[in-house]
Amino acid sequence: AQSVTQLGSHVSVSEGALVLLRCNYSSSVPPYLFWYVQYPNQGLQLLLKYTSAATLVKGINGFEAEFKKSETSFHLTKPSAHMSDAAEYFCAVSEGPYQTGANNLFFGTGTRLTVIP
Amino acid sequence: DTGVSQNPRHKITKRGQNVTFRCDPISEHNRLYWYRQTLGQGPEFLTYFQNEAQLEKSRLLSDRFSAERPKGSFSTLEIQRTEQGDSAMYLCASSPRTYNEQFFGPGTRLTVL
Repeated sequence: AQSVTQLGSHVSVSEGALVLLRCNYSSSVPPYLFWYVQYPNQGLQLLLKYTSAATLVKGINGFEAEFKKSETSFHLTKPSAHMSDAAEYFCAVSEGPYQTGANNLFFGTGTRLTVIP
Repeated sequence: DTGVSQNPRHKITKRGQNVTFRCDPISEHNRLYWYRQTLGQGPEFLTYFQNEAQLEKSRLLSDRFSAERPKGSFSTLEIQRTEQGDSAMYLCASSPRTYNEQFFGPGTRLTVL
């Protein structure tokens, strides 16, 4: 079974400051991990994904995340926040290379990022 | 841009009415998923199609819910005898199977009065 815990339902940062959104996962099999962003009244957009290749993954809009198996973590970072980064961010896990069945995504409860001018 | 599309975007209905939503996945994506997202929560899996076959259903999918994907193209999700607890955003996603990267539509927001 897979599950995700996102620590901090709300995170506020100043424009230009480091963004750090935390995600810890639980998986009985090697996982694939994803970060999605959701703007108000919109669907989810994929930021980046870990698929058992490089542990440091770079995504769109300057975001990156590092897969740390020993810590079961996949935290999302961005060196310098922009106003346009304000949104809801979701971490998700699915079965990895040995997927069977639906292989659906299991999402965390999300972190709302506020960027202060 | 031929992303995932969903219709309608918003639906307001009275309790007890039936509603149907449509999802058009990215062409050639053989996998299609439905998720439900309630306020303040992440999306939760409802059901999965591979081509036209509905292969998995979540415990969240009560017998008032039914989904189809005729001919393996678009999909419909019907809710019969809607209840206020059905109010949520219903998201559709499609996947080409590669790394299970799922592409989401904009969602249909259902409000049951």
